[in-house]
This record gives sequence, C-alpha cells and structure tokens, in this order.
Amino acid sequence: AQSVTQLGSHVSVSEGALVLLRCNYSSSVPPYLFWYVQYPNQGLQLLLKYTSAATLVKGINGFEAEFKKSETSFHLTKPSAHMSDAAEYFCAVSVNTGGFKTIFGAGTRLFVKA
Amino acid sequence: GAGVSQTPSNKVTEKGKYVELRCDPISGHTALYWYRQSLGQGPEFLIYFQGTGAADDSGLPNDRFFAVRPEGSVSTLKIQRTERGDSAVYLCASSLQADNTGELFFGEGSRLTVL
Repeated sequence: AQSVTQLGSHVSVSEGALVLLRCNYSSSVPPYLFWYVQYPNQGLQLLLKYTSAATLVKGINGFEAEFKKSETSFHLTKPSAHMSDAAEYFCAVSVNTGGFKTIFGAGTRLFVKA
Repeated sequence: GAGVSQTPSNKVTEKGKYVELRCDPISGHTALYWYRQSLGQGPEFLIYFQGTGAADDSGLPNDRFFAVRPEGSVSTLKIQRTERGDSAVYLCASSLQADNTGELFFGEGSRLTVL
C-alpha cells in the first residue's frame, strides 16, 4: 500500500524567500506523484505531477518538484514566494493497479509574510 | 459540465438522519472518487468507481456509508444514521482514464454538519 508523509503542518516564509515544502512517499510499485493546492474557499487543483518522465517537474505559478527515488522524496520548491502563494498544499501518491487509488498527505499550510 | 459539480454545497442535519450527497463529474471522465476531508487534515480516500462499478471501496469507514453510480456518470454518496463524527467536507473528483496518470479534478465539496 502507498502512503505519504508531509513534514511540517505549517510553513511560514517572507515574501521573496525560498519556499520548500517536504514530502516523502512509500510505494511498493513505481508511483505517480502529485502536488495539489487548495486556496481558501476553493477546491483542490493540480499544481504539478510526476509520471516517470523527467525527474524535475515544473508546475504552475513557478513551482517545481524533484523526484528522488533514492530518498523517496518529492519536495516542492519555489525560488521566490509571493503573497498569493498562501494556501494549503497536499502531496499525493497514486499507483496503477488496473485503476488509480490516490492517497494524500495531511497537508502543509503555507503562510507568506510581507 | 465544465467542472466537477457537487450538491449541496452545505448540508446541516441532525444526528441519526439520512443524507445524500451528489457528484456530477466532468463529461467523459470514467473514474470517479469520493474523499472526506476533516478540518486540518488531508483528503481521506473513501471509494472510487470505474464506470458503474466500485473498483475500490476500502476507505468507507463502516456500513452506514454507501455510494452508487448507476449509469457511470453521476454518483451519490449515502450516509445512514449520521453521527457527529461524520461532520466533514466530502470531496468528489473525476479522472480521465485515458490520461493514465491518475490526475484528479476536484469539485468544491459538500460540507456536512451533523448536530
């Protein structure tokens, strides 16, 4: 069975600073990995996904994530935080077993200080 | 429709009552998922459908919870004898099987409050 661990339920950065949100996964088969974002009072939307092509994945709004198999990690980064990045971020893992069952981490809330 | 639609957006009920939550997926999406999100938590998997059949219902917490998708499109999550612990946001998502990556498209959720 697959699982996801997000380190840090809350992360606070200053505007313009580096954003780093950590995610580690566990999977017995090659996984697909995702980051979803949930803005206040909105539904979850896809930020980026890893599907076994390039290990460095670029997403929307300047975010990117790197798949590191040896570390079973898929950390999310952005070089320079913007106030509009304040949201909840969820890492998720999915495996193809004839269909997809996606498991989510507990989430990390990002605060951006002016 | 353009996106996943969930109704009602808010539902307040009394303990012991029966509740139905509806999800209308993106047209053409063959896979449909139900998740439950409690305050401060990530989405918790409940069940997913491939077409009309439940491919995996291992996340349903007990036999008070049941979901159907009779025509392979709209799905209804049914909760019997509701309990205060059932209070949460119930999320529906759909996926295009041909995408072959499991990317999910979410609705805005149905917030259930059991008094």
